Amino acid sequence: SAVISQKPSRDICQRGTSLTIQCQVDSQVTMMFWYRQQPGQSLTLIATANQGSEATYESGFVIDKFPISRPNLTFSTLTVSNMSPEDSSIYLCSVRTGEQVEAFFGQGTRLTVV
Amino acid sequence: GEDVEQSLFLSVREGDSSVINCTYTDSSSTYLYWYKQEPGAGLQLLTYIFSNMDMKQDQRLTVLLNKKDKHLSLRIADTQTGDSAIYFCAETNTGGFKTIFGAGTRLFVKA
Repeated sequence: SAVISQKPSRDICQRGTSLTIQCQVDSQVTMMFWYRQQPGQSLTLIATANQGSEATYESGFVIDKFPISRPNLTFSTLTVSNMSPEDSSIYLCSVRTGEQVEAFFGQGTRLTVV
Repeated sequence: GEDVEQSLFLSVREGDSSVINCTYTDSSSTYLYWYKQEPGAGLQLLTYIFSNMDMKQDQRLTVLLNKKDKHLSLRIADTQTGDSAIYFCAETNTGGFKTIFGAGTRLFVKA
């Protein structure tokens, strides 16, 4: 299994600012993903974080708004840029290894934009 | 594209069985999952089933898969108040590791 630590666990931010969320895994993992869970809704995949190269974004998400870094196999960051109240969500880091069926999730970062 | 659908709410009495249903569209789904999310918490994998299986049982949990109809269900026997949570159906398809989630079913267990 993998233990995922996300920071911060929650934050309240002013509109127009940016927030960087960190995801640290206790072991090397093949794949890392970032999801958004808007209030009362399911999880939507934002992007796949690729080690050493640009992230792969899903439809509706762009790098300028959600820049992602993944410098190694255990760490990734997601930045929510130029925030607006519509960005208020829970952001979750998820990891998978090539051998395992299960996708592991961090506890999430609860973001409120005011 | 891929789509996973679930009913939004289910209410049962403590001690009864709960059945949560899910349909999916991707015929190349490899693994199908049930995740549980308690208030303020992250997602916990409850169980999963490989697409070539019909049924999987794990203690109080029974997963049934009808691949022809692309229908997945989760049965919780002897439902307890601690089972109150949101249950997400999810799938991963062949050729990728992306996991697609349904909207979640909120289970209410009445004492």
